[in-house]
Amino acid sequence: EAGVAQSPRYKIIEKRQSVAFWCNPISGHATLYWYQQILGQGPKLLIQFQNNGVVDDSQLPKDRFSAERLKGVDSTLKIQPAKLEDSAVYLCASSTGLAGGTDTQYFGPGTRLTVL
Amino acid sequence: AQSVTQLDSQVPVFEEAPVELRCNYSSSVSVYLFWYVQYPNQGLQLLLKYLSGSTLVKGINGFEAEFNKSQTSFHLRKPSVHISDTAEYFCAVSRNTGNQFYFGTGTSLTVIP
Repeated sequence: EAGVAQSPRYKIIEKRQSVAFWCNPISGHATLYWYQQILGQGPKLLIQFQNNGVVDDSQLPKDRFSAERLKGVDSTLKIQPAKLEDSAVYLCASSTGLAGGTDTQYFGPGTRLTVL
Repeated sequence: AQSVTQLDSQVPVFEEAPVELRCNYSSSVSVYLFWYVQYPNQGLQLLLKYLSGSTLVKGINGFEAEFNKSQTSFHLRKPSVHISDTAEYFCAVSRNTGNQFYFGTGTSLTVIP
């Protein structure tokens, strides 16, 4: 089965510009996650969707970050305007959503964002 | 609140030697524990997970981990490492309600020929 797809793989922008990332989860997976992984740190959950509803966005900087999952499948994460500290790898993951905390999450390859 | 501590940021080890990567967690509720591996320029991949039952969990690629509730630890072990095991390893915890993951800061394993 196809894995989690993300694009682009790499993005370089200047501060105050906007950027968007796209994620296509594994077919049939109800839960979708966006993580931010800063160099030298573990992934930090930004937002979690169950189908097209938001389950948790407590760590999403809502003044500049937004995410949507229209139709409960693909998702986009946007940053506007970007800051230097947003430089990181943005990981998308999906899971079936059937097993709560025991779910295995399947990760995409990530998008490496560099803000100059 | 949950937190995950990986004390060793870097672990160099010679090929065919054993390795242990340490993970400690803190939580006031029951948790599930996971180890993920991240190869260079790739996404994270599940190695193994502890949900309940036997405290010794076997995963892919010859890795295993032991859940120790009294020491709140979930250390990852492999009796003989290969060059291909060179990667970043992340310990993670989730609660038994909801499925938000809390990741540790990772341990970089380098296998030396």
